[in-house]
Amino acid sequence: EAQVTQNPRYLITVTGKKLTVTCSQNMNHEYMSWYRQDPGLGLRQIYYSMNVEVTDKGDVPEGYKVSRKEKRNFPLILESPSPNQTSLYFCASSLGTRRDSPLHFGNGTRLTVT
Amino acid sequence: TQLLEQSPQFLSIQEGENLTVYCNSSSVFSSLQWYRQEPGEGPVLLVTVVTGGEVKKLKRLTFQFGDARKDSSLHITAAQPGDTGLYLCAGVDFGNEKLTFGTGTRLTIIP
Repeated sequence: EAQVTQNPRYLITVTGKKLTVTCSQNMNHEYMSWYRQDPGLGLRQIYYSMNVEVTDKGDVPEGYKVSRKEKRNFPLILESPSPNQTSLYFCASSLGTRRDSPLHFGNGTRLTVT
Repeated sequence: TQLLEQSPQFLSIQEGENLTVYCNSSSVFSSLQWYRQEPGEGPVLLVTVVTGGEVKKLKRLTFQFGDARKDSSLHITAAQPGDTGLYLCAGVDFGNEKLTFGTGTRLTIIP
């Protein structure tokens, strides 16, 4: 089944403890992206990647890192999480790199930082 | 920064009623997408509109792109409980080709 898989689905951590949220897609998509979803603010892009070894900042990149060593994987790293990073995170991918290419989303990771 | 405003923010109606939700911006879009997000899941693409004035139908859902490509609407006929969810519009800015999501309309259909 074609899908984007995120892990974990739920994560509770403490301020400053490094964490990684994994994202993997099995559709051979070129483009991958991370979003955070907050009430009243919609989906905001954190980072995106057009291809292997190519990553760029989105609208809210502060406090996050990503890597794209393989086409299928795009992990999101929080080196020193803070409470304002408590949010619902989505990984997405698309076949093409055009901005209007349909996005396929994972089922989300709900992160709580205390 | 492109702002995409969706209205209403919340909508709760009885099964069988009709409804329209809106997506508005001051910017011109080269294309606009509509997604539906159900609880515990990620958004799923419903439709993409690219031409000013374009109308697309998906069963009981009708999507319209404004003539000036600054706004869009989603009309649902005879709403059913399965239509419940968060509806998100996302526009690609004509100038910078950046994709921006709206804040969403949370729709609840009461059986």
